[in-house]
Amino acid sequence: QQQVKQSPQSLIVQKGGISIINCAYENTAFDYFPWYQQFPGKGPALLIAIRPDVSEKKEGRFTISFNKSAKQFSLHIMDSQPGDSATYFCAASRSSGGYQKVTFGIGTKLQVIP
Amino acid sequence: DSGVTQTPKHLITATGQRVTLRCSPRSGDLSVYWYQQSLDQGLQFLIQYYNGEERAKGNILERFSAQQFPDLHSELNLSSLELGDSALYFCASSVVGLGGSDPTDTQYFGPGTRLTVL
Repeated sequence: QQQVKQSPQSLIVQKGGISIINCAYENTAFDYFPWYQQFPGKGPALLIAIRPDVSEKKEGRFTISFNKSAKQFSLHIMDSQPGDSATYFCAASRSSGGYQKVTFGIGTKLQVIP
Repeated sequence: DSGVTQTPKHLITATGQRVTLRCSPRSGDLSVYWYQQSLDQGLQFLIQYYNGEERAKGNILERFSAQQFPDLHSELNLSSLELGDSALYFCASSVVGLGGSDPTDTQYFGPGTRLTVL
């Protein structure tokens, strides 16, 4: 059961363009939505995250848009650079009773071409 | 560098064998998580430990087990290995204090162990 659906699975964007990755979730108990960036041979690293009571969060060139009623959220990478080429995972987290369970999307492999 | 260490980096073994993967969390982190990453399944949560106790279980097979020791390092034991167990295994750690939940408790991932079962 895929609780967090992510699309597309691969994305090619030209340098300077906007990369957009979309995610949808089903469980309304999720209370935190992080995005992770993973370079080849490395573990995922937290990129940016948002709470469900906020509709947008921006950090530099990275923006999360969150639509609680539609249970959808997306990552926008403005002015995409070749160094942004990596796999991006959206995730949904549920914290309860002192533990945190994170469910990841399938991942999007982004390639930014010069 | 996340501060989470995992050993070994690579492991090649045969079907039916047993292996142990090791993880040392970031200094001060009490919680350890194990994940399996494969091409077709993405990142799958296996199990979480907090201060030596099992806290949450995900899609962990009965052939797999884990524990967290008093010094907070953790080991993931995989037994009766099958070809399909070949994957990247990640450990992550976070603070996660007792007495309440903190949704901003970030998980920091280690570099992973690549397991190949032949």
